[in-house]
Amino acid sequence: NAGVMQNPRHLVRRRGQEARLRCSPVKGHSHVYWYRQLPEEGLKFMVYLQKENIIDESGMPKERFSAEFPKEGPSILRIQQVVRGDSAAYFCASSPPTARNTEAFFGQGTRLTVV
Amino acid sequence: AQRVTQPEKLLSVFKGAPVELKCNYSYSGSPELFWYVQYSRQRLQLLLRHISRESIKGFTADLNKGETSFHLKKPFAQEEDSAMYYCALSGTGRRALTFGSGTRLQVQP
Repeated sequence: NAGVMQNPRHLVRRRGQEARLRCSPVKGHSHVYWYRQLPEEGLKFMVYLQKENIIDESGMPKERFSAEFPKEGPSILRIQQVVRGDSAAYFCASSPPTARNTEAFFGQGTRLTVV
Repeated sequence: AQRVTQPEKLLSVFKGAPVELKCNYSYSGSPELFWYVQYSRQRLQLLLRHISRESIKGFTADLNKGETSFHLKKPFAQEEDSAMYYCALSGTGRRALTFGSGTRLQVQP
């Protein structure tokens, strides 16, 4: 069990480009969460997905950001037309489909730098 | 709205000294509280949660609903405890976590 895998670990994009961040959950986990961590701040919830469904996107910026978790393949966090303020560490976590607040397992994060 | 406050960005103690990492929360319902730890160059991992009432690596945390606190304590710090510690809250009906800004614990020899 390799745990939650995120790639790439580091991503550099120029302003206006698109960033795609991938997250493969722990095998058997059907719940995925994305968090963003700005410098000197804690992790901020962005979106919670189950397979093919967005359950809670209350933390997602209204524009340019989208997320998906298809039936097959990893979850993708997509940021269109990146700006300098998008530079942050993006963490993915997964949990099994059991009772709420089950322990979430975190990936090592993707550090996005917008230049 | 739910909020988690960790007032200390950095806590530095000597090996063998007691440690208390503070965490206060605001939430109108019955929250579930967690402590996560991130050692250098490693991923964030769960340290303990209040419903388990367990001690992990010598750490304990008690939920005090009157003071809305969930402070993390250890009677004798070890150098290997040096890490970032995050307090987190999960509200009723929500699986997502609300994190505090974290406290860096430095245990000096």
